[in-house]
Amino acid sequence: NFMLTQPHSVSESPGKTVTISCTRSSGSIASNYVQWYQQRPGSSPTTVMYEDNQRPSGVPDRFSGSIDSSSNSASLTISGLKTEDEADYYCQSYDSSRGVFGGGTKLTVL
Amino acid sequence: EVQLVQSGAEVKKPGESLKISCKGSGYIFTSYWIAWVRQMPGKGLEWMGIIFPGDSDTRYSPSFQGQVTISADKSISTAYLQWSSLKASDTAMYYCARQATVTSDFDYWGQGTLVTVSS
Repeated sequence: NFMLTQPHSVSESPGKTVTISCTRSSGSIASNYVQWYQQRPGSSPTTVMYEDNQRPSGVPDRFSGSIDSSSNSASLTISGLKTEDEADYYCQSYDSSRGVFGGGTKLTVL
Repeated sequence: EVQLVQSGAEVKKPGESLKISCKGSGYIFTSYWIAWVRQMPGKGLEWMGIIFPGDSDTRYSPSFQGQVTISADKSISTAYLQWSSLKASDTAMYYCARQATVTSDFDYWGQGTLVTVSS
């Protein structure tokens, strides 16, 4: 079993770039794809990244994903921040066929 | 249009049983997995388990194994999450979500069902 650890919160100004990390506690980050979900207050989550770096249709190309084996982590980068990006972001992967979520990161765009 | 429509909010007492539902439409219900995800008040997302309605293959998180039961009725394209004896700590929002394979992303989500357990 492994855990995915995210920073509790990040903040940045509109127009800037922010990166949210997701560190896997054991086993290789490359072993299973990582997904990223955005959840705005009062709404269901939506996918902003799947299979490490694939963007669903409708998600702007300001969103990008990557993994780094040296730090055993995945990252979600949002460039050209907009106030509408303010939300909670969750990384997610799989341990065998069991899902694992990170604890979530609250992104504040101020 | 793909939709997952969940049953309405519930208020229950500790010890009571409950079954909430998630009805899929706009796609072949038996060809996709349905996952259940818990979100306790002010907290993050927790993966509870999944079911493949085509053959009822079901897998649980160790944290939820024995605590809940996931099932599906493919004749009415509906998945279920049930408790035999609720606890106050079961108070949470519960989401169902669709996934194409057992390890793919959740491409569609239900609107959530709020379960409140209080004496």
